This record gives sequence, structure tokens and C-alpha cells, in this order.
Amino acid sequence: GAGVSQSPSNKVTEKGKDVELRCDPISGHTALYWYRQSLGQGLEFLIYFQGNSAPDKSGLPSDRFSAERTGGSVSTLTIQRTQQEDSAVYLCASSLEGRSSYEQYFGPGTRLTVT
Amino acid sequence: DQQVKQNSPSLSVQEGRISILNCDYTNSMFDYFLWYKKYPAEGPTFLISISSIKDKNEDGRFTVFLNKSAKHLSLHIVPSQPGDSAVYFCAASLEYGNKLVFGAGTILRVKS
Repeated sequence: GAGVSQSPSNKVTEKGKDVELRCDPISGHTALYWYRQSLGQGLEFLIYFQGNSAPDKSGLPSDRFSAERTGGSVSTLTIQRTQQEDSAVYLCASSLEGRSSYEQYFGPGTRLTVT
Repeated sequence: DQQVKQNSPSLSVQEGRISILNCDYTNSMFDYFLWYKKYPAEGPTFLISISSIKDKNEDGRFTVFLNKSAKHLSLHIVPSQPGDSAVYFCAASLEYGNKLVFGAGTILRVKS
């Protein structure tokens, strides 16, 4: 079956603009995660969705970042008024259920460059 | 504050030999540990995991060892193959939690 897909694969934007990143999880997976990887760093947790529960937003670095998951499937990560420090690879992952013991399947990521 | 550390940015190993990748953690609450492998332009893929109730888990050529008292885990790959060349990430979590905390990764190069 299809894996996790993300779009766009690359995005270059000017400082101050808003961007939207999209994630299509594996069908049937109830848990969805967003991470980002800055240059030379590990993956940093951003936000987690599990079914109809309230999302865990504890990893979002500022109020310029928001995410939604519509219909328990597709998710969109929005970054408002982008800054140069937002440049990173943004990775989405999904898993069957929202426990660490369930394997997280990652998409290929969106490389965001803020100029 | 890095809770999961991979102190070796890179490792180079000859094909057929053992690769040992190390990882240290500081949060004693972590009780579930995972290794992910990442090729360029792809997302990370799950490799192997271990619960804190064990000190070893083996899957084919891959073995993960956990030393809870030292807050240290390692991934052994035997024998190493050129296709194993990738970035390896160590991650930690609460077993019944959901967030993974990742290390910065180690680039493994297996030379043929």
C-alpha cells in the first residue's frame, strides 16, 4: 500500500510569508506526528494527533506554527510570518496507534528554505 | 538540553566487519528505545527497538544493547554491508507515551 506522502517536497519562501505543508498519512493510521530536522540536528517533535482527541501541541516552537488534521486523515502544518530559523526539513509520520511501541512510518519530508 | 545524545557524528567501517553505534540518554524516565535509519531524500525507517525490561534485542544482523545503569544503548550491525551506509538515529520515549526524542544521528559509511 501507499506510504506517507508529503507535499511539496521543496519550498523556498521569503521571510515574512506564510507557508502550508501537507501530509497524507497511511490509510487507517490513527496517529499522526510532525517533526522537523534542522541542519545537523536530530528530529524535533512538533505536534501529535490521535484520533478525535485534542492534539498534543507541546513541541510547537512558537504561536506562528499551527497544524490541523481534517477528517482524521490529511494534516496541514502552517507556519505564519516565516523566519530564517524556520528553515529545516519538516517530516510527517503516522502510526497505527499513538504509542511509541507502534512503529512510526515517515514521509520523505518537505525541505523548507526561508530566504 | 539534549536528552538523547549521539556523540559520534560519523563512523567508517570495512564491509564484513562490525559497526557499533552508540547513544546516551539523560532522562531516567525513558523506558523505550528505538533505532531509525535514514537514506538521503527519504524519511527515516524503523530498524529495531528495545524495552527497558530487556538488555538485548536481536533481529538478524542488528542487535541493540541497553545498559540502564549507564543510560547507554548501542546498535551492533554484523556483518556490515555497503547498503547499510546511512544516517542512524537513536530515539527514546516512554513506552506508553507517544513522543519520540531523537539524537542528532550518526553517519555510517561501510566501505567495500
